[in-house]
Amino acid sequence: AQSVTQLDSQVPVFEEAPVELRCNYSSSVSVYLFWYVQYPNQGLQLLLKYLSGSTLVKGINGFEAEFNKSQTSFHLRKPSVHISDTAEYFCAVSEPNTGGFKTIFGAGTRLFVKA
Amino acid sequence: NAGVTQTPKFRVLKTGQSMTLLCAQDMNHEYMYWYRQDPGMGLRLIHYSVGEGTTAKGEVPDGYNVSRLKKQNFLLGLESAAPSQTSVYFCASTSGQNEQYFGPGTRLTVT
Repeated sequence: AQSVTQLDSQVPVFEEAPVELRCNYSSSVSVYLFWYVQYPNQGLQLLLKYLSGSTLVKGINGFEAEFNKSQTSFHLRKPSVHISDTAEYFCAVSEPNTGGFKTIFGAGTRLFVKA
Repeated sequence: NAGVTQTPKFRVLKTGQSMTLLCAQDMNHEYMYWYRQDPGMGLRLIHYSVGEGTTAKGEVPDGYNVSRLKKQNFLLGLESAAPSQTSVYFCASTSGQNEQYFGPGTRLTVT
């Protein structure tokens, strides 16, 4: 069975500072990995995804994540955050070629960017 | 291209009442999902569908039913609402590679 752990429930950070949101997963099979962002009162939207290939994945809004197979991690980073990055971020793991119904979401990390 | 839409956006029900949530997607996706989102618990899969006319149970199916009579629509029904079903409900769809497209959500309160 797969599982996802987001290690921080809340991350406060000052504007223009770097940020890392941590995600660990467990799975007995190869996986696809995702980060989604949810702005207040909205649905989730895809930030970036890892399917295969290069372990460093770049997404929208200047975010990137690195897949580390040995540490079973997929941490999300941004070198300089903006107020507009305030949102909840969800890490998700999915079993390939299943259409997504075996996608497991983490509990979420609330990023709060302060001026 | 509207993507994934959900109706209604908000609803308040009394215990024991019934309702149907409608999800529609215009991307010709085969797979559709219903999730509920509760604080600190991420998203939990209620039911899903791998194609028109098919449905299957997810992680938390009890108290809910679904139907997918048309490829673009996925309906979630609550036959007898309970306070434990107070939540935000999200519909999603995907075409493959498991990337999901989400609707804006329905906030349901059961009193």
